[in-house]
Amino acid sequence: RKEVEQDPGPFNVPEGATVAFNCTYSNSASQSFFWYRQDCRKEPKLLMSVYSSGNEDGRFTAQLNRASQYISLLIRDSKLSDSATYLCVVNRPDSGYSTLTFGKGTMLLVSP
Amino acid sequence: EPEVTQTPSHQVTQMGQEVILRCVPISNHLYFYWYRQILGQKVEFLVSFYNNEISEKSEIFDDQFSVERPDGSNFTLKIRSTKLEDSAMYFCASISPQGMNTGELFFGEGSRLTVL
Repeated sequence: RKEVEQDPGPFNVPEGATVAFNCTYSNSASQSFFWYRQDCRKEPKLLMSVYSSGNEDGRFTAQLNRASQYISLLIRDSKLSDSATYLCVVNRPDSGYSTLTFGKGTMLLVSP
Repeated sequence: EPEVTQTPSHQVTQMGQEVILRCVPISNHLYFYWYRQILGQKVEFLVSFYNNEISEKSEIFDDQFSVERPDGSNFTLKIRSTKLEDSAMYFCASISPQGMNTGELFFGEGSRLTVL
């Protein structure tokens, strides 16, 4: 099982749609979870951390299920500017907090 | 807004040549990282650096690679004898003391290395 596995995508959605991304991780000892966003040929940027109780930031909602080792990201009311690759990121539990393992990413394309 | 800066943005080199990629992390950050991303692949951890020494390295970071912080600002990645498979985007990143709680790495824009 890959350390961090994501839906391969791409997801093509119209503006205003709701879209959900799924992610699973292999190491049950992982403690910290994040969604990063990467625009084409750009660097990754933190979108949001994922907390055990779930958390929301505007149109974005992240959920964590530790029992299933599953993380999700929900984007409501998609905008053209949401087009990017969304990276599921998990810390490496056998190392420092901030040493991160990245999923391959799921590409989102929002069309007019 | 403070940012991580990297040079060069793109370097083309012949196989077997040495390459040095440079990074200036954000000034009050304490941990520094190199990650790489082969085209179309995931972002992969190479090495972390704290208090002027390597704190962790991945299996990718073999004897061909080295890192250095020669002065108070620059953080460099050296590849001694490049191979075709070293072609990738190399990202430098740093994290603030507060970021140790949020996990927010600040990435530079990357240095694209092309080995011919």
